[in-house]
Formats: sequence, structure tokens, C-alpha cells
Amino acid sequence: DAGVTQSPTHLIKTRGQQVTLRCSPKSGHDTVSWYQQALGQGPQFIFQYYEEEERQRGNFPDRFSGHQFPNYSSELNVNALLLGDSALYLCAVGQAGANVLTFGAGSRLTVL
Amino acid sequence: GENVEQHPSTLSVQEGDSAVIKCTYSDSASNYFPWYKQELGKGPQLIIDIRSNVGEKKDQRIAVTLNKTAKHFSLHITETQPEDSAVYFCAATVFGNEKLTFGTGTRLTIIP
Repeated sequence: DAGVTQSPTHLIKTRGQQVTLRCSPKSGHDTVSWYQQALGQGPQFIFQYYEEEERQRGNFPDRFSGHQFPNYSSELNVNALLLGDSALYLCAVGQAGANVLTFGAGSRLTVL
Repeated sequence: GENVEQHPSTLSVQEGDSAVIKCTYSDSASNYFPWYKQELGKGPQLIIDIRSNVGEKKDQRIAVTLNKTAKHFSLHITETQPEDSAVYFCAATVFGNEKLTFGTGTRLTIIP
């Protein structure tokens, strides 16, 4: 976890609202991937950013969008929240071409 | 796409005994298989990984074996200790690709 900071740690939203989650990697990491982890399940890949562009996307609707900034930090945005969006959202940072990912502690989103 | 199955979902072993967790994958293109440990309130932490050009890798009390023909790989923990209690996830991908496909996790409990 020390390689990446996520905020906020917990948040509660209501259906239809929008949420922004943030990820700040420490130096040496230039790629950012976001994963959704539902309770009792393994993480599921949402998308990956490198050089400020979305490079890969998993099977998530376009209500899920993101951004990577010049300092390599990243945001995950989810619009029109559904109850099923309640999950732990994990940011994973790495170096382009390598496979070793460092995960943050996550942001736990509850949608009521 | 890739599909990873993981067994068992829960595992309890006496302290000092060995624990084995097994995973199978579906995509023959996958050639990188990491294992993550997730403790309560934390993100997944990489504990060991293996590439398909080797059949076994060991790091102190932890080892991973890979059978490419059968498309399965296993995590072995020997001389288990209370701090080994956590949820363990296997994953599969193509080396260099940060899109990991995770298994559903194994909750390991070490009984003192």
C-alpha cells in the first residue's frame, strides 16, 4: 500500500449521484489501473491509464470514466450510481511493460 | 476472455501445517500468474508470481507450481503461522499486460 494513496477511504452516495475517486502513486510508477472489488469477490479490471490515455478497458459501462494527470495521479468517475456499484474500488500502479502492480488500500463506496 | 477458477473458497489449517490453494485458467495465451494476499482493510499485496517458462518458484515458506498443459497453478504455504491468515487471490494475464483476471479468493485461517 505504501506505493499508492487513495482517497477518500469511505463514502456513501445515493442512487443517481456521481462520485470521483482519487489515486496518487509514489514516484517510479507511470501506469494506473482501476479495479472494482465486490464483497466476497476478486477484483475486476475497469481500465488502465498510461501517458494520460485510456489504454485498456474491461467490461464496464461508459458510466465509468477516468483520467490520468501529468503527475501520473488518476481519478475514477462513476455517473448515475446504481446500488450494484457498491464495492471497494482499488487503484493499482505499475511501470509500463512490467507486471508488478502495487495496490492501494481502496475506496469503499456504498450506494443507498 | 480469460476465466480463472479458484478452490477452495475457505481453508482452515493448524499452525505449522501446510496449505495449498489451486487455480485453473482458460486462456492458453496467459503466461503470467501472480498471487496476492489481502488482509482486512488493505489492498491486495503481491506475494509471489510465476511466468510460464518455469514450472515452480519458491520464496522461503511460499511456493507456486504451474502446469501449462493442464492450465492450472497452485500456491503452497509451508509451516503456516497466524500472520498467514488472510484472503488469497490468484490471477492470470499475459506478461506486460496489467489487465489481471482474478480468481474468487480463498479465505485462509490458521488455527493456533
